Amino acid sequence: EAQVTQNPRYLITVTGKKLTVTCSQNMNHEYMSWYRQDPGLGLRQIYYSMNVEVTDKGDVPEGYKVSRKEKRNFPLILESPSPNQTSLYFCASSNGGGPREQYFGPGTRLTVT
Amino acid sequence: GQQVMQIPQYQHVQEGEDFTTYCNSSTTLSNIQWYKQRPGGHPVFLIQLVKSGEVKKQKRLTFQFGEAKKNSSLHITATQTTDVGTYFCAGHSGAGSYQLTFGKGTKLSVIP
Repeated sequence: EAQVTQNPRYLITVTGKKLTVTCSQNMNHEYMSWYRQDPGLGLRQIYYSMNVEVTDKGDVPEGYKVSRKEKRNFPLILESPSPNQTSLYFCASSNGGGPREQYFGPGTRLTVT
Repeated sequence: GQQVMQIPQYQHVQEGEDFTTYCNSSTTLSNIQWYKQRPGGHPVFLIQLVKSGEVKKQKRLTFQFGEAKKNSSLHITATQTTDVGTYFCAGHSGAGSYQLTFGKGTKLSVIP
């Protein structure tokens, strides 16, 4: 089954404790992206990747890191999480090197206390 | 940077009434995409529009892309309770950018 998976689905952590949210897709998609969703603000793009080893900043990259060492994986790293990073995070992928039809993962709800 | 404005933010309709949501971009778009997110779910792709003036239909849903490729609309005819959710547009400007900018969404409630 074609899908995008994210882990963990829920995470409660404390300020400053490094964490990684994993994202994996099995569709051989070139383009992958991370979004955060906050009430009243919609979906905002954090980082995206056009292909392996090619990444770029979205609208809200501050406080986040990404890497794309393999085509299928695109982890999101929060080196020193802060409470304002409490949010619902979605990973998405699409075929081709650009943002076409996006397949979204189920989401990761992160709470930073 | 590119901005995509979407209105209205909320819409409550009686079942059977029509519904429309509008998107406006601050820049000309290469394409615009529409997504639906059910409560508690993830966004699901509905359609992509590429051509100036393009109109596409999916059963009761009609999507339009403006002539200037800066605005778009989604119209639902005779809403049903299964249409409940938040509808997002997302614009891609192209021109060497691979960024996708979402509108804030329109949350549709359907009263049976």
